Amino acid sequence: AQTVTQSQPEMSVQEAETVTLSCTYDTSESDYYLFWYKQPPSRQMILVIRQEAYKQQNATENRFSVNFQKAAKSFSLKISDSQLGDAAMYFCASSNFGNEKLTFGTGTRLTIIP
Amino acid sequence: EAEVAQSPRYKITEKSQAVAFWCDPISGHATLYWYRQILGQGPELLVQFQDESVVDDSQLPKDRFSAERLKGVDSTLKIQPAELGDSAMYLCASRELGQPYEQYFGPGTRLTVT
Repeated sequence: AQTVTQSQPEMSVQEAETVTLSCTYDTSESDYYLFWYKQPPSRQMILVIRQEAYKQQNATENRFSVNFQKAAKSFSLKISDSQLGDAAMYFCASSNFGNEKLTFGTGTRLTIIP
Repeated sequence: EAEVAQSPRYKITEKSQAVAFWCDPISGHATLYWYRQILGQGPELLVQFQDESVVDDSQLPKDRFSAERLKGVDSTLKIQPAELGDSAMYLCASRELGQPYEQYFGPGTRLTVT
């Protein structure tokens, strides 16, 4: 079974600064995917970034990047140049290759301070 | 841009009553998921459909919950009878066959059982 742990229930950052959200996971599979999802208040959850476990290069999407440490089973999200619209719950999630069931962490609530 | 539709957005019901939620996935998406998100936690998969067939309902409390996707398009999730512990956000998501990466989420139905 997969488990995903987010140890930071809440984080805050000044607008335009950089923040890193932490995530650790556990899986017995060798092929899997990792994701960060964003859930804004009263809006639907959207995918922010994904990482295939077989890729060594860290994924990047504009201001969002990950630090994927496979041996440590760590998958952190870095948000650069934070904007007010980044305020949301952020969920780390994993799924095994061939079984796209998502296992989510408990989430980190990110507040952006103007 | 196509979106996953869910209704109702909010539902208040009394304990022991029946309640139903509806989901219309993005057109052409063969895979449909129902998740339950308890306040302060990440979503947990209840049931997964591939077209009209159930692929995974291992976490669905079958004594009171049922789900169907009769024509392989829209889906209904039913709870009968509702219990206080069922209060949660119920999320529907869909995915295009062959695209394992991204699940598209609807806005959810927030259920309150009194």
